[in-house]
Amino acid sequence: QQKVQQSPESLIVPEGGMASLNCTFSDRNSQYFWWYRQHSGEGPKALMSIFSNGDKKEGRFTAHLNKASLYVSLHIKDSQPSDSALYFCAVSNNNNAPRFGAGTKLTVKP
Amino acid sequence: AQTIHQWPVAEIKAVGSPLSLGCTIKGKSSPNLYWYWQATGGTLQQLFYSITVGQVESVVQLNLSASRPKDDQFILSTEKLLLSHSGFYLCAWSLNWGLYAEQFFGPGTRLTVL
Repeated sequence: QQKVQQSPESLIVPEGGMASLNCTFSDRNSQYFWWYRQHSGEGPKALMSIFSNGDKKEGRFTAHLNKASLYVSLHIKDSQPSDSALYFCAVSNNNNAPRFGAGTKLTVKP
Repeated sequence: AQTIHQWPVAEIKAVGSPLSLGCTIKGKSSPNLYWYWQATGGTLQQLFYSITVGQVESVVQLNLSASRPKDDQFILSTEKLLLSHSGFYLCAWSLNWGLYAEQFFGPGTRLTVL
């Protein structure tokens, strides 16, 4: 069964700094990878997806995927206090609903 | 535009009492529907999913049941609440199954069992 693990559990970065979030998965057939962000008291919202090996940049956010190493990461450049949230990695393939990691709690200190 | 509504917003219930939580999706026909449970600040545990009306699959057993009586409606219920049922319940929908399955979450229902 697919296992998705995220690290670190929590992360504190200064405003303007870089936040790096990591996610490993166990199923080599995994094909689709999402990052979700959840602000306190709200439902999660999809932040970005990545399907091919390499980097994908959307504004201040860059996702990196290495399927051979079973690894996906999210990097947030110029972090803002509004980026403070719980971040989830979600992994799926054609046959199963996405499986979520345990999340990384990001705090951006002004 | 698609909208997802969950009700109630919050509930405080006694152990042993029944529960019914609801979710409706407007603006999208035949969505895939999901129920998730989340402990405070914790991971998202998928409980049920439904690909079509009348059919619901259980992912994990938590003494809960789910039904999809209409294409746009998903119900989560139990006849007898446990303390462990406390948490944040999220309904979600997706357009596709597995493939490109971005999930769109509702605002959630906060359940406190005393």
